[in-house]
Formats: sequence, C-alpha cells, structure tokens
Amino acid sequence: QITLTQQAESLWVSPGEKVSITCRASQSLLYTDGKHYLSWYQQRPGQTTKALIYHASIRTDGVPTRFIGSGSGTEFTLSIEDVQPEDIALYYCLQTLKKPWTFGGGTKLELK
Amino acid sequence: QVQLQQSGAELVKPGTSVKLSCKASGYTFTSNHMNWIKQTTGQGLEWIGIINPGSGGTSYNVKFKGKATLTVDKSSSTAFMQLSSLTPEDSAVYYCARVDDYVMDAWGQGASVTVSS
Repeated sequence: QITLTQQAESLWVSPGEKVSITCRASQSLLYTDGKHYLSWYQQRPGQTTKALIYHASIRTDGVPTRFIGSGSGTEFTLSIEDVQPEDIALYYCLQTLKKPWTFGGGTKLELK
Repeated sequence: QVQLQQSGAELVKPGTSVKLSCKASGYTFTSNHMNWIKQTTGQGLEWIGIINPGSGGTSYNVKFKGKATLTVDKSSSTAFMQLSSLTPEDSAVYYCARVDDYVMDAWGQGASVTVSS
C-alpha cells in the first residue's frame, strides 16, 4: 500500500504568519490522466471534517484562497498564508490513487 | 446542502456486533460512492472501504475484510456499516464520507464506538 508521511506532528504558528505542511508519498501519486490523487483535509473540534484541496492543488468550493496546495510526484505541501485563529486544527493528506486509500498521520497546527 | 447524519455513540460488549448508519440528504444518494473511515488516537485515520449506493458494489481495505460490512438502503438514502466480532481494538470514532472525483467532499459528524465488558 502507499504510505503517506507527514513529518511534523505539530507546528506552532502566530496569527498572520505563513505555515507549510508537507506530505510525502512512498510512490508517485500521478496518474496517466495527468492528475495527482492527493487531497487535504481539516479537522476542527466540534466541526465535520472538511476537504480543502484535491488533485494536489484545486481548492474545494468555499475554501479561502489563503489555503494553497502544491507539489507533484511524491512531495506535496499545504500552505496557509496569513494564518487565522480558526485555522488551528488537525490537517491530513489522503491518497486516492490506489486502494487501500491511505491517510497521512496528521499535523496539528497550534498557536504560539 | 449535502449532509451526512450519523447514528449516535455505542457502548458494546466484546464479541458482539454493531451497525452504524449514515443518512444522506441534499443530493441524489445513488450519484456518489460512500466511504467509511476509522479514527483512533494511535492509528490516526484508516480507510475501511467504499460502497456504490446505486449497485451495492463494495471494495474493502484488506485489513477490515471480515470485520466491516457495508450496505445501503436506497429508499431511505442511508448507508450502513456493520462491525462484527468486536474487540477493544475496534473502539474508535467511525466516519462516513461521500466521494466525488476521488475526494471525500462531505463527512458525517462521526460515531464513537466503545467496546468494553
């Protein structure tokens, strides 16, 4: 199965700063259709889990433009520019290229 | 808007089974596949499997074959997951999530299952 590694379990950030969360895959997530099957999710207490980014770089409807997905092959990044207090959450990457679909271990964003 | 309403928390005894539900609204139930995901503090998020509500076809993570059984009731737009032969290792929060273009674009609120004697 494909393993996704989110190196940082926790990241500390102050409001207004930029933060980057990385996700490394054990094999390329690029399919023959030219798309990367990598998505990003946000979990906040008391809220349902929210899809932020799919196909590595496409924001889902309603996601603020400060959330930016980038990367290719096996290395992917979720960047949050101008971090807001409501961005304090757990973030996961997910690959849907090959079954079993697998998640990264998660990165907790915390306030300094 | 798309909503997935899951059944409530369960406290069950080892060796028994539990059936969780996920009622969909705000879209055509048979138009999107439905996933189930397990979340524990130690193991993070694990993909259990996926069902096509239109055909009933399923695909399971090998790790959960024999443990989880996914079904749907099209008449009530509800997806179900039965977990059998429960052990304490099955204690977790279980989510249903709709799939659209290989992204889980809507999630239920989660259902806590505690297996304890």
